[in-house]
Amino acid sequence: QSALTQSPSASGSPGQSVTISCTGTSSDVGGYNYVSWYQQHPGKAPKLMIYEVSERPSGVPDRFSGSKSGNTASLTVSGLQAEDEADYYCSSYAGSNNFVFGIGTKVTVL
Amino acid sequence: QLQLQESGPGLVKPSETLSLTCTVSGDSISSSHYYWGWIRQPPGKGLEWIATIYYSGSTYYNPSLKSRVTTSVDTSNNQFSLKLTSVTAADTAIYYCARRGNITMAGYYFDYWGQGTLVTVSS
Repeated sequence: QSALTQSPSASGSPGQSVTISCTGTSSDVGGYNYVSWYQQHPGKAPKLMIYEVSERPSGVPDRFSGSKSGNTASLTVSGLQAEDEADYYCSSYAGSNNFVFGIGTKVTVL
Repeated sequence: QLQLQESGPGLVKPSETLSLTCTVSGDSISSSHYYWGWIRQPPGKGLEWIATIYYSGSTYYNPSLKSRVTTSVDTSNNQFSLKLTSVTAADTAIYYCARRGNITMAGYYFDYWGQGTLVTVSS
């Protein structure tokens, strides 16, 4: 299984929106509605932000939203805030209890 | 509040075996609702799923690491462990333990993570 493809970087000004994409194959992203997104600040552990494509865990602001079309999933952060500056990783179930992660996208708040 | 804590040597010599333990507090590792997993992150790089284990001992491994990975559960101490054999510099990474989501609702994500532990492979 190969890592999911993510754009290396994305940026936006405070209050704007930024969308990150995550591209896989029909064997992972396209085959299951089990895409999750993780936020990672420098030196910290990843934090679950979205699961099952568009579900938010308790405590995650509704500024974070997810979607999927075909083999590509997306994470949108609306109303960007300074604390949203971080690395974001997508992950997908890949069948047979296997998981695959994306290569990560660095989000910069200008 | 669920907490996970990795422990183990921070330095391993090439060709030797990397051994890590994850201690879980705030919940029983014997819960039938959850799997437990290992994920690693080479310095400055992305995340890589290594393995997932159930309290009964059922295990699932990343196909690219399967020949070198073993995981186990110690329910009496509420811990689970990872062993990676024949390590090379490419295995240098931060190793995280994590809880997979509730399997009664699919749970194909990791909702609680340890802080991670850096393991360096070097002579």
